Amino acid sequence: GEDVEQSLFLSVREGDSSVINCTYTDSSSTYLYWYKQEPGAGLQLLTYIFSNMDMKQDQRLTVLLNKKDKHLSLRIADTQTGDSAIYFCAPLTGGGNKLTFGTGTQLKVEL
Amino acid sequence: EAGVAQSPRYKIIEKRQSVAFWCNPISGHATLYWYQQILGQGPKLLIQFQNNGVVDDSQLPKDRFSAERLKGVDSTLKIQPAKLEDSAVYLCASKKTGGTNTGELFFGEGSRLTVL
Repeated sequence: GEDVEQSLFLSVREGDSSVINCTYTDSSSTYLYWYKQEPGAGLQLLTYIFSNMDMKQDQRLTVLLNKKDKHLSLRIADTQTGDSAIYFCAPLTGGGNKLTFGTGTQLKVEL
Repeated sequence: EAGVAQSPRYKIIEKRQSVAFWCNPISGHATLYWYQQILGQGPKLLIQFQNNGVVDDSQLPKDRFSAERLKGVDSTLKIQPAKLEDSAVYLCASKKTGGTNTGELFFGEGSRLTVL
């Protein structure tokens, strides 16, 4: 099955850029999602990229996809304290039916 | 549009007791998922329904976990008997199928289970 890995922790200063990385194993992934989870809350979709794209920009968010290396990254520009949360990478496989989550990266934004 | 509703939000039980969680997906969403999220880990898929049929339950511990989705709308997830390692947040999600959609899953806030 799909294996998704992320680094566990990232700390940045307010106003800096954050880059969260993800590697996955299933090359048949169609959509690749980034979800955000705040303490005690459910998962909220942040952004996604279709597998035939290399890059997608959405306001402060930039997603980069390297299909050859099976590497996905999420860049948050001008990181704010409200961005502190856990970020999950989740490729969609299984013919578009199965969503597999990474371990999550906890982003801490310091003043 | 109302989101995915789950209840109860919190439940504390002793080991070997039973518990049930309920989920009401977004209206019109044919696909429903139950995920288990243990503290410090990513959500793990337990079971996936398409309407009222099971699509994938390969990671559901069937000796103690059961789930149903009668009439293809609401779903319940039951654990009987519970073990200490079942302490987790149980997340329900739904997805629209057909038409033009990005395959996004919409999640409820989850049901937090503590087994003592």
